[in-house]
Amino acid sequence: DVKVTQSSRYLVKRTGEKVFLECVQDMDHENMFWYRQDPGLGLRLIYFSYDVKMKEKGDIPEGYSVSREKKERFSLILESASTNQTSMYLCASSLNGYTFGSGTRLTVV
Amino acid sequence: KNEVEQSPQNLTAQEGEFITINCSYSVGISALHWLQQHPGGGIVSLFMLSSGKKKHGRLIATINIQEKHSSLHITASHPRDSAVYICAVRNGGSGNTPLVFGKGTRLSVIA
Repeated sequence: DVKVTQSSRYLVKRTGEKVFLECVQDMDHENMFWYRQDPGLGLRLIYFSYDVKMKEKGDIPEGYSVSREKKERFSLILESASTNQTSMYLCASSLNGYTFGSGTRLTVV
Repeated sequence: KNEVEQSPQNLTAQEGEFITINCSYSVGISALHWLQQHPGGGIVSLFMLSSGKKKHGRLIATINIQEKHSSLHITASHPRDSAVYICAVRNGGSGNTPLVFGKGTRLSVIA
């Protein structure tokens, strides 16, 4: 089975900190995605990547950046964390179907 | 951009009941996904459909392309089916096209 691993299940960070969320997949998928999930809003796309060093903005990229230096790893970066970035963050990879990671619940205090 | 609407938002059922969750979308798609999310956050893909009907155990998913509508059915529901069920659509033909998600249906099955 394809596995998508997110490095942390729970994370607490201070306002202004730089935060790295890591996602690794083991099936050589080209496509990887970062979403955030908030009550009443569903999943919203932050960034996605369809190849190494390639990235595309999603619907809500402001305040975030990404890095894809290797095919298996897609990192989401919060340049200066703010309280409105408190959320559940989900990574996914795709060939035709999608596989999701377990999510990282980030709290910014 | 595609708009994906799910109904109902919340659903409570007695164990054994037949359950239907509906999904409609506004623009033609290449594929529709049904996903399940248990408390704690992880999302599992249940079905990917582009036409017709798929069945896996007690779960059945159907799609009507002309009507732009899909349904997820659960037969003989059980408390372990309690989860959020999410419909998502893909507009493009390849895996690099992001999904557009509905807001989910929260299902509680009571013993």
